[in-house]
Amino acid sequence: QLQLQESGSGLVKPSQTLSLTCAVSGGSISSGGYSWSWIRQPPGKGLEWIGYIYHSGSTYYNPSLKSRVTISVDRSKNQFSLKLSSVTAADTAVYYCARDRGGPEGAFDIWGQGTMVTVSS
Amino acid sequence: EIVMTQSPATLSLSPGERATLSCRASQSVSSSYLSWYQQKPGQAPRLLIYGASTRATGIPARFSGSGSGTDFTLTISSLQPEDFAVYYCQQDYNFPYTFGQGTKLEIK
Repeated sequence: QLQLQESGSGLVKPSQTLSLTCAVSGGSISSGGYSWSWIRQPPGKGLEWIGYIYHSGSTYYNPSLKSRVTISVDRSKNQFSLKLSSVTAADTAVYYCARDRGGPEGAFDIWGQGTMVTVSS
Repeated sequence: EIVMTQSPATLSLSPGERATLSCRASQSVSSSYLSWYQQKPGQAPRLLIYGASTRATGIPARFSGSGSGTDFTLTISSLQPEDFAVYYCQQDYNFPYTFGQGTKLEIK
């Protein structure tokens, strides 16, 4: 069964770059038809989609974050990563990685457990 | 951007009662691209419904989804204690993908 696991720095200083990795186990990240997303949730608030990387390597980012976001894939390690630059306190959130089946009747069907990232000096 | 608005923000009901949660999109969404998620405290969201009305694997039959265009509904026919949680609708019809703000289903 496919599983996702986030990892990375839990504390980032303002203006620095947040870096997270999502390890995929129980299946290949290169499987066709899927995209791999990052989603975040500030404490006590709702969900915000950050962006995705498609199995082909193409990406799409939320315009609200586009200037600061990079999502990449490392097929040799079966993982994908998020970098968010110039962070502020507003970027404090639980960050989730998720698989999107894509297309009609897609949806985020598999989620990682989430990792809390705090932006503070 | 398609704005998803959920109502009510909080719904207080007792076990055994029927719950009806609403989700309205700011513009028409193909029902194939509308999903519902359940989130419990300290946990990741769990997919309940996709394609507006299809239950995900392992989801009990008491959960059902309906709707089209801009108005969608999640119904829980008879609430069980484990159903009290926050529910989110989400569209992936247009970029950027967006979620509703959530409906908290609490025990009355």
